[in-house]
Amino acid sequence: AQKVTQAQTEISVVEKEDVTLDCVYETRDTTYYLFWYKQPPSGELVFLIRRNSFDEQNEISGRYSWNFQKSTSSFNFTITASQVVDSAVYFCALSEAGAGGTSYGKLTFGQGTILTVHP
Amino acid sequence: DTGVSQDPRHKITKRGQNVTFRCDPISEHNRLYWYRQTLGQGPEFLTYFQNEAQLEKSRLLSDRFSAERPKGSFSTLEIQRTEQGDSAMYLCASSPPRGKASGANVLTFGAGSRLTVL
Repeated sequence: AQKVTQAQTEISVVEKEDVTLDCVYETRDTTYYLFWYKQPPSGELVFLIRRNSFDEQNEISGRYSWNFQKSTSSFNFTITASQVVDSAVYFCALSEAGAGGTSYGKLTFGQGTILTVHP
Repeated sequence: DTGVSQDPRHKITKRGQNVTFRCDPISEHNRLYWYRQTLGQGPEFLTYFQNEAQLEKSRLLSDRFSAERPKGSFSTLEIQRTEQGDSAMYLCASSPPRGKASGANVLTFGAGSRLTVL
C-alpha cells in the first residue's frame, strides 16, 4: 500500500529564512507521481508541482525548489527567502499509475506541514 | 471559468439528518473526485467519476454515503443518517481528460463544504 509521511507537523520561521519541508513516500509501483499542494488559510488546496518517478531532475520555480531522490524515497520542498504569504499548510501526495500504466487523480496525501512565517 | 464550485460552504446539522453537497467542476474537466479532510489531516480519497460513470469508491464511503454525477457535469454527495464522525471538510476536485498538458492527475480543488454534525 502506498503511504506518504511528512514528519514535520509544524515549522515556524522568520521572514527571509530558507525552509525545507520533508516528504518521504512508500510505494510498490515503479511508475508513480509525486505532488505538492499548498492549503492557505482560505482552505482551497492549490497545486504546486507534479513529478513523475522517471524524472529525478530537481526543479526550481522562483523561490520554490524541489529535490526528488528515489534512492531515499524522498521529495523535499524548499522555500528560499520565505515570506509571510508562504504561511500555509503544505501537503505532499502520491499517485500510483496502476496496472494500466496511467495515473489519475486518486492521491494519497501526507498529514501536512503547517508553515508559519513571522514578519 | 471560475474554478471548482462547492455548495454549501458550511452545513450544521443534527445527528440522524441527511445532507447533500453539490460540486460544479471546471467545465472542460471530465474527471471529478470527492475527498474528505478532517482537522489536522490530509485529504482522503472517497470516490471518482469519469464523465457520469463512478469508477472507484473508497472503503471510507459507507452505505450511508452516495455520490452521483448524472449528466457528467455537476456532482452531488449525499450523507444519510449523519453521525458525529461524519464531521469534516468535504472537498471536490476535477481534472482534465488524458492527453491534456496539465495532466489527468493534476487536481483543481474547490474550497470545500464543511460539515458539522451536532
